[in-house]
Amino acid sequence: EDKVVQSPLSLVVHEGDTVTLNCSYEVTNFRSLLWYKQEKKAPTFLFMLTSSGIEKKSGRLSSILDKKELFSILNITATQTGDSAVYLCAVLMDSSYKLIFGSGTRLLVRP
Amino acid sequence: GAVVSQHPSWVICKSGTSVKIECRSLDFQATTMFWYRQFPKQSLMLMATSNEGSKATYEQGVEKDKFLINHASLTLSTLTVTSAHPEDSSFYICSARPTGLGEQYFGPGTRLTVT
Repeated sequence: EDKVVQSPLSLVVHEGDTVTLNCSYEVTNFRSLLWYKQEKKAPTFLFMLTSSGIEKKSGRLSSILDKKELFSILNITATQTGDSAVYLCAVLMDSSYKLIFGSGTRLLVRP
Repeated sequence: GAVVSQHPSWVICKSGTSVKIECRSLDFQATTMFWYRQFPKQSLMLMATSNEGSKATYEQGVEKDKFLINHASLTLSTLTVTSAHPEDSSFYICSARPTGLGEQYFGPGTRLTVT
């Protein structure tokens, strides 16, 4: 059975801290791994990772994929209260283009 | 770019009635759209894959006669919840995949409450 597992399930930090969110996967037809941020409404796209070892960066957020060990991490440096959200990891299946989502990591950044 | 809209954003209906939710890709064509539902504090669960011009593909456990999907054009897919019951109350989210690309862009979601 295809599955995506995220850890930790929830995290509370203070502004300025750096956080690392984890995502591991076991799927039969891997195409890419995607990270989304979900606040009150639908998820917003952060990154899509297809190749191993190449870091993608956007401001204080960065992510990398390891296709040998089947995991990805999302780093957020100098966290701000606006980073509080649920971060979702999803694997994009080859051919069907379905997304299989993990359970999400709920991040709370306190002032 | 890559904007997806959903209408309505929230709806309250009585048990036994049907509700239609629209999903539109505003600035790109989407051969494939997806419908998800999300319960409070849970992740997104894929319900079905909607392909323009053909029948939708439903995930295991999703009743195709209850959740009718129509993908009549490259920019519009609709989900109709038929004979709605309180247990159908949920957050329904669509996503659209630009033709030729892999990533999906999500609509803002529709909160359905069945009384």
